[in-house]
Amino acid sequence: EAGVTQFPSHSVIEKGQTVTLRCDPISGHDNLYWYRRVMGKEIKFLLHFVKESKQDESGMPNNRFLAERTGGTYSTLKVQPAELEDSGVYFCASSGQGRNEQFFGPGTRLTVL
Amino acid sequence: AQSVTQPDIHITVSEGASLELRCNYSYGATPYLFWYVQSPGQGLQLLLKYFSGDTLVQGIKGFEAEFKRSQSSFNLRKPSVHWSDAAEYFCAVGASNYGQNFVFGPGTRLSVLP
Repeated sequence: EAGVTQFPSHSVIEKGQTVTLRCDPISGHDNLYWYRRVMGKEIKFLLHFVKESKQDESGMPNNRFLAERTGGTYSTLKVQPAELEDSGVYFCASSGQGRNEQFFGPGTRLTVL
Repeated sequence: AQSVTQPDIHITVSEGASLELRCNYSYGATPYLFWYVQSPGQGLQLLLKYFSGDTLVQGIKGFEAEFKRSQSSFNLRKPSVHWSDAAEYFCAVGASNYGQNFVFGPGTRLSVLP
């Protein structure tokens, strides 16, 4: 069984540009989560999808961040326009229905110059 | 509000020595507790979890953790550290309700001396 995959593994962009991160959860997992770790700080929750619906987006920092999960499969997280403070590692996780154990992807390291 | 503290930012141990990484949590209900490890260039890997029952839980790679409700702690232990254990370790707490997001501690970086 394939694990959670994320693309790209690294992204370097300039301030003001747009970046789109992708997450493919474990097949059949209804729950998909986005987290991020800004340099030197804790891993923080961003949002949670149940299938294609946003269950909780209380962790999204501002309206420059847009997450989608069309069809309830993979998810994208777009940052537009990117700012310096958006640099960090963005993790995606998924869990099955009725399960609290989350499986994490390898993360996407975003650097905004 | 939920919170997790890991008092040690960086720990260095010699290979073969025992290890204990501390984790304290603040949570208003029965927590679900997890330890994850992130090796260099890798994602977060689940080491072990506690939901209920026996307060001493065994995980992968020879790790174990003990849940102590009276101390609000969930410390991670290993009797003999291997060089490959060098990584960053994260304690996390989740709600007992299905589908809730995790709150992570700041992480403890473990270095292993040969």
